[in-house]
Formats: sequence, structure tokens, C-alpha cells
Amino acid sequence: GEQVEQLPSILRVQEGSSASINCTYENSASNYFPWYKQEPGENPKLIIDIRSNMERKQTQGLIVLLDKKAKRFSLHITDTQPGDSAMYFCAASASSGSWQLIFGSGTQLTVMP
Amino acid sequence: EAAVTQSPRNKVAVTGGKVTLSCNQTNNHNNMYWYRQDTGHGLRLIHYSYGAGSTEKGDIPDGYKASRPSQENFSLILELATPSQTSVYFCASGVMGAQNTLYFGAGTRLSVL
Repeated sequence: GEQVEQLPSILRVQEGSSASINCTYENSASNYFPWYKQEPGENPKLIIDIRSNMERKQTQGLIVLLDKKAKRFSLHITDTQPGDSAMYFCAASASSGSWQLIFGSGTQLTVMP
Repeated sequence: EAAVTQSPRNKVAVTGGKVTLSCNQTNNHNNMYWYRQDTGHGLRLIHYSYGAGSTEKGDIPDGYKASRPSQENFSLILELATPSQTSVYFCASGVMGAQNTLYFGAGTRLSVL
């Protein structure tokens, strides 16, 4: 089936620096790309998303970039804080208008004080 | 915020036994999903449903059945549990349209011995 590749699987950064997570997808018809954050022992929660009619979206210290030609999208967390430490998942819609999301394998981010 | 409740939160089962995981949502969402989360694999879709009476196979349906008797309830059934089904299972609900947001339950940790 379709896959979404997510890298890196583990990311450690110093507090105050930025962190970047990259994902690639296979289906050029995918048009929706959300990012979920999962804190230890908790359920995944949507933090930001981008649709295929945009190249960049920013909210509260989070930036998402989408390169449709390369089938690549990325999450950038600016000025990281210890509270940003969590598992992050990217996802892509299985196809245009699909009700299914294909998730990446996750990135464990640790922000060191 | 949308409410998705899973039960049980933890379950220990024996190989060959039957296991039923339950999910209830109070958001009147049409779509419901069952995912399993394993290290290195992220969230993988097992079964999903478009509404009461509907069940569809996801990416890894083998060994699982699903039941959607009502808008609110979606169950995952392991008729003959195996150790390979030891995992954390997440139920989610959503309205795939303008929002496309998935709301996850708290998860069920299943161990099959």
C-alpha cells in the first residue's frame, strides 16, 4: 500500500533551537497533510495541517512547508521548549478527497534544557 | 473538544482467546477508525467505518473484525488473539470534509500472552 516516509526517527535539540521533521509521500493525488503530536501516555492530537493549495502555513511557533513537485512536506518548530518534547507524526490523505490518512512512522523529539 | 472513549484501557489476553475492544464517540462523526501503534511503524489503519452498519478494511485487517452497530460505537474484535497482536490500539473519529481532523481516544494497551 501507499507509504509515508518520516525522518528522522529520533531528534534531540537544545532548548531555544529549531527542530525539523521531514516526510515524503507517494501519491501525487494526496491533498491533505496533517501533523499530530503525541505526548507520553497520551493520544495523538492535531497541531497543524496544510492543504495542497498552499506551500506554507504558520501558527504559534510551528511552520509547515509543502513541495508538491517533490512530494515532500516538513514541520519546523522554532524556539523549542521542553514542552515540545513528544512523538510527532506526519500524515497524508490516501488520495484526493479520501477519508483515510496514511501516517509516517513518527519522530521522537527531545528538547534538552 | 471531541470526545472518544475507549475501553478497556489495558487488557491481557491469552493466545487463542477472543478480545473485543470498544470505542464510543459523542461527536456525531460519521467516520470512525481503528489504528494500532507499534514502534517503527507509526499508526497503521486496521478497519474503518463510514457510518452505522458499515465496516471497511484498512491496510492491515488480517486477524481483525470490526463492528459498527450505531453512529456512536465501533468495536474491534480479535477472534483468535495471537502474540503478534500485542500493541497499543487507538480508536478515532472524524468528519473528512472541511476539517479532516481525526480525534483519537486514549488508547488500549493489549498484551497477548
